[in-house]
Amino acid sequence: AQSVTQLDSQVPVFEEAPVELRCNYSSSVSVYLFWYVQYPNQGLQLLLKYLSGSTLVESINGFEAEFNKSQTSFHLRKPSVHISDTAEYFCAVSATSSGGSYIPTFGRGTSLIVHP
Amino acid sequence: ETGVTQSPTHLIKTRGQQVTLRCSSQSGHNTVSWYQQALGQGPQFIFQYYREEENGRGNFPPRFSGLQFPNYSSELNVNALELDDSALYLCASSLSTSGQYFGPGTRLTVT
Repeated sequence: AQSVTQLDSQVPVFEEAPVELRCNYSSSVSVYLFWYVQYPNQGLQLLLKYLSGSTLVESINGFEAEFNKSQTSFHLRKPSVHISDTAEYFCAVSATSSGGSYIPTFGRGTSLIVHP
Repeated sequence: ETGVTQSPTHLIKTRGQQVTLRCSSQSGHNTVSWYQQALGQGPQFIFQYYREEENGRGNFPPRFSGLQFPNYSSELNVNALELDDSALYLCASSLSTSGQYFGPGTRLTVT
């Protein structure tokens, strides 16, 4: 079984400042890692994913995350945030179940609040 | 290419009643998963269907059941509703390990 810990429930930051949302995971097998974003009253949107290869993955809107196997972390970063980045961010880990399916486990979420 | 759609958007039911929620997968996706998201929490996995067969189940009682149809659309059925079943129910479709694509959810309120 795997688990995900998002270390901060809320991260307030000023516009144009850098931000890091922390995520640690626990798993006894190899994992795939994901970050999702949820805007108010909407479903989740896939932001970025790590499946294999380069440990640094990037999204189209300036976010990046780095897979660190030794520290079992997958922190999300952005060098300069915008008001529109205000949302709930979920880290998820997926490992193969006995049935061969990939079923992600989600963290409790981090609320990113960007102030003008 | 259409995204994942869910119906209805909102629903109010009384304790003890039964409810059916519906989901249409993104075109070409053969796997659908259902999640329950309580207020202020992350999504909790209910079950997953792959090509019409249940392919994994989370820690939910048997009164939560589902179906996947040949066109990969899906239903979530909940019997004997309890107050704690009030939540946002999310459907997600996927193709292997590409990551899941979520619908907007159905907000269920049990009174």
